Amino acid sequence: AQSVTQLGSHVSVSEGALVLLRCNYSSSVPPYLFWYVQYPNQGLQLLLKYTSAATLVKGINGFEAEFKKSETSFHLTKPSAHMSDAAEYFCAVSERTGTASKLTFGTGTRLQVTL
Amino acid sequence: GAGVSQTPSNKVTEKGKYVELRCDPISGHTALYWYRQSLGQGPEFLIYFQGTGAADDSGLPNDRFFAVRPEGSVSTLKIQRTERGDSAVYLCASSSSGSPLNEQFFGPGTRLTVL
Repeated sequence: AQSVTQLGSHVSVSEGALVLLRCNYSSSVPPYLFWYVQYPNQGLQLLLKYTSAATLVKGINGFEAEFKKSETSFHLTKPSAHMSDAAEYFCAVSERTGTASKLTFGTGTRLQVTL
Repeated sequence: GAGVSQTPSNKVTEKGKYVELRCDPISGHTALYWYRQSLGQGPEFLIYFQGTGAADDSGLPNDRFFAVRPEGSVSTLKIQRTERGDSAVYLCASSSSGSPLNEQFFGPGTRLTVL
């Protein structure tokens, strides 16, 4: 069975500081991996996805993530945090061989950005 | 264009009552998903439709939960004999196909509260 683990339910950074949100996955087959962001009272929005084309994936709003098979990780980073980045972030995995591309989500990391 | 919409945005009901939650996917999207997000958790898969048929309903927790998509567009999630444990945000997502390469677009959710 596939799963993802997000380390740290809450992360606080100063504006302008590096953002690092951690995600480790478990999958019996090469996975598709995703990061979603959820702003208050809004739906989930896709930040970026890994589909094996390149291990370093660039997404919207300056975020990127690197797929590391040896570490089974897909950590999300942004060089410089903005106040507008405050939200909840979810890592998700989708099995490549399934007939349905259902997503399995982590428990989320709430990012707080302080002045 | 219009995104995924869900109605109602909030639903409060009493234990034992029947509820229906509606999802309007993005026009032309053949794949439709339902997820449930409990407080402090990531979304959990419930059911996936490809067209009118439920291709994967393995996430439905029990037979009190049922979903339909009779014309391959709008979907309704139906919950019978609601229990307090059913309280959660119910999310709907649609995609242009069932392939994991295609982004799932999420609606804002319906917050269900069972008293």
